[in-house]
Amino acid sequence: NAGVTQTPKFQVLKTGQSMTLQCAQDMNHNSMYWYRQDPGMGLRLIYYSASEGTTDKGEVPNGYNVSRLNKREFSLRLESAAPSQTSVYFCASTTPGGNTIYFGEGSWLTVV
Amino acid sequence: QKEVEQDPGPLSVPEGAIVSLNCTYSNSAFQYFMWYRQYSRKGPELLMYTYSSGNKEDGRFTAQVDKSSKYISLFIRDSQPSDSATYLCAMSVLTGGSYIPTFGRGTSLIVHP
Repeated sequence: NAGVTQTPKFQVLKTGQSMTLQCAQDMNHNSMYWYRQDPGMGLRLIYYSASEGTTDKGEVPNGYNVSRLNKREFSLRLESAAPSQTSVYFCASTTPGGNTIYFGEGSWLTVV
Repeated sequence: QKEVEQDPGPLSVPEGAIVSLNCTYSNSAFQYFMWYRQYSRKGPELLMYTYSSGNKEDGRFTAQVDKSSKYISLFIRDSQPSDSATYLCAMSVLTGGSYIPTFGRGTSLIVHP
């Protein structure tokens, strides 16, 4: 049971480049999330998807887009990367009752 | 003011000490209260969750929720060097069909031998 899998684990981008972070879960969860984690800021919600076909903005959505491709997959896209988007990104999914959040291992992104 | 406040520490204790980690929150609609542990360069992993006010115990860990004071705590008994990690509190509320978890900034704990 892989849980939540996200790729890539490490990426270096130049300012203005685009990239997509991929995430997949095999627990049949409806809700999926993308967070970023920065020193001193904790985990901040970028976007979430309550179910297949729906997405909503979180606390810090600017500069990002998401796609809920199917129930398993939820991708995060940076259209034009900026140094302020240098961060660790975590994909997560929750059980139907909302009491347990499962995280991926993280994606370390550096924008130079 | 953030919805969830947590002292970032670091908190340094000797092995065997009782550790107390705390969070306060402002949103009275929060329904689930969770504690996560995060080791360096890893994703957070769930330690415990509670739904109501009171205590919940799991081995060396006790989670406590006081809804009237909007205050939650995690106690670690007989702390071990392997407990050294960042501890994040999290709270969730049902919004638009999905539980939206909100996290504290995390407290860095160091248990030295």
